[in-house]
Formats: sequence, structure tokens, C-alpha cells
Amino acid sequence: GQQVMQIPQYQHVQEGEDFTTYCNSSTTLSNIQWYKQRPGGHPVFLIQLVKSGEVKKQKRLTFQFGEAKKNSSLHITATQTTDVGTYFCAGYTGTASKLTFGTGTRLQVTL
Amino acid sequence: NAGVMQNPRHLVRRRGQEARLRCSPMKGHSHVYWYRQLPEEGLKFMVYLQKENIIDESGMPKERFSAEFPKEGPSILRIQQVVRGDSAAYFCASSPLGSEQYFGPGTRLTVT
Repeated sequence: GQQVMQIPQYQHVQEGEDFTTYCNSSTTLSNIQWYKQRPGGHPVFLIQLVKSGEVKKQKRLTFQFGEAKKNSSLHITATQTTDVGTYFCAGYTGTASKLTFGTGTRLQVTL
Repeated sequence: NAGVMQNPRHLVRRRGQEARLRCSPMKGHSHVYWYRQLPEEGLKFMVYLQKENIIDESGMPKERFSAEFPKEGPSILRIQQVVRGDSAAYFCASSPLGSEQYFGPGTRLTVT
């Protein structure tokens, strides 16, 4: 079955440092979505990428979808303590009805 | 527009009892998904439903677990004869067109 892996599993940064999480799927994705889950909270939708090679920005967050539509990345510039949480990528394959979530990257930011 | 609602937020059951988890999707959303999350782990898809139909239940255990989304009322995830291994957070999400998903606050199930 489809597998979506993320690396790293965990990262601890100082506030102000940059952070990147990478998402790799075993199969081609029709689109990729990113979610953030704060500790003790629920996943919150951040963004969706559809086109091969697409890049989208949200303030300090930059999202990329790979040319082969099998990988994606999320880059945060100058992290803040409010960025703490687990970031999940998720994707649909073809006409599949279910969204497969990645393994997640937990980000810890300290002053 | 109220978000996805789930109740109860916390549920404690003894082994062998039944657990019923409820989910009211966002207004206008006809697609409902259930996920299970163990502590410090990812989200595991369980089932995808539309009104009165189960579309994909490939993530549901074959026994003791069932889900429904009736024409009227919330979606229900039912776990019969709970065991300790069922302890987890269960999240419901809804979607307008099967695209981005909006999650509820979750139900934390503890089996004692």
C-alpha cells in the first residue's frame, strides 16, 4: 500500500533558526496537503499543492511540491515559539478516496 | 460557521464496554473521515463516509468497530467490547468536496 514518510522525525531548534521537513511518497500523488498539530490539539489544514513543481508561500512558511509529484517540503524561516507542533504532509493518489498522512515531524523551538 | 464538533471530548470505558463517539461535520460538508492517533504517533485512516454510505472502510479493524453517517444526525464511530489497545485519540474530519479536511477536537478514549 501507499506509504508517506517524513524526515526528520523530530527537530529541536533555537528561535530564529530555519527549519525544513521533507515528505516522500512511495507512489505519485494527485495533490499534497500540509497540516499542523499543536501539542494536545487537532490537525489544522495549512495548504494544498496540486501542480508539479508548485511553490507556495504563507508568510514565513514555504511549501514545495516535487516535479515527480512524489515528494514535498515545508520550510520555515526564522522559527518562532508559536511554530511548535507536529507537521504532517498528506496526499491523495489518483482517484483514491482516502488521504494518507505522513509520519509527521515534531518541531520544538526554544528561546 | 461552527467547526467540526466531536463529543464526548474524553471518554473512559472499562474493558468489555461499548464506546460511542459522535461527530457533527461542518455545515455544508457531506464527507466525513475518522482517524485514530496513538500518543506521539501519526494519524491512521479508519473510514470515509458520505451521508448514509460507507465509501472506504479499509482502515477499520474487521471486528468490534463500526461507523455510520445517517441521513439525519451526527456520524457515529462505535467500538464494541473495548480493550486496552483501543485507548487513543479519535479524530473526525469533514470536507466539502473530498479535498482539504477540517478536523474536530477529537475524543480521547481511555480503556481501564
